[in-house]
Amino acid sequence: KNEVEQSPQNLTAQEGEFITINCSYSVGISALHWLQQHPGGGIVSLFMLSSGKKKHGRLIATINIQEKHSSLHITASHPRDSAVYICAVRSLSGTYKYIFGTGTRLKVLA
Amino acid sequence: DTEVTQTPKHLVMGMTNKKSLKCEQHMGHRAMYWYKQKAKKPPELMFVYSYEKLSINESVPSRFSPECPNSSLLNLHLHALQPEDSALYLCASSQGGGGVGETQYFGPGTRLLVL
Repeated sequence: KNEVEQSPQNLTAQEGEFITINCSYSVGISALHWLQQHPGGGIVSLFMLSSGKKKHGRLIATINIQEKHSSLHITASHPRDSAVYICAVRSLSGTYKYIFGTGTRLKVLA
Repeated sequence: DTEVTQTPKHLVMGMTNKKSLKCEQHMGHRAMYWYKQKAKKPPELMFVYSYEKLSINESVPSRFSPECPNSSLLNLHLHALQPEDSALYLCASSQGGGGVGETQYFGPGTRLLVL
């Protein structure tokens, strides 16, 4: 079992829909990151969370430390949101390493 | 400048070739990373440089040789690669020495094909 699990693995949505991607982890963490990877390859860091909730534009990320769970929400989704969304944690024991989830492939149809 | 740049974008090489990948950042970051990513898989950490010293080598084969000539530049020298080394190679940097509170900033990657 992976230390970081994401669901769903694949998601297709219509433009305008509200989208939720979930991440559960089984290790003690210092921080959780949500990353976005477009088909071209580059990775963009969307959020770093250690507690609570963060919002940036149409993106909202929440984390529940007790339940070891985080969610990424996209409101009013758009085709340009189509990408792979990756949850990555920094464990308490590892200084440098991200532990990556397997990613959620999102496709938003116009 | 909040960018990590990587060159080349694409590279095709034979198994007997020697080539190098280059990564550059001008954000004053002191930790730099090489990752390898196979299709539909998350990135795998290869090397970490912290304050220009190699801090982590994740048991990477010696045909991959990293180099950090200065705090802004990170190279990955490639020699005698195998077809299974074909992948996207991502560089990243973070502000301090790689501590737990740091966000890593990724470059666009070099897509490598070994024939």
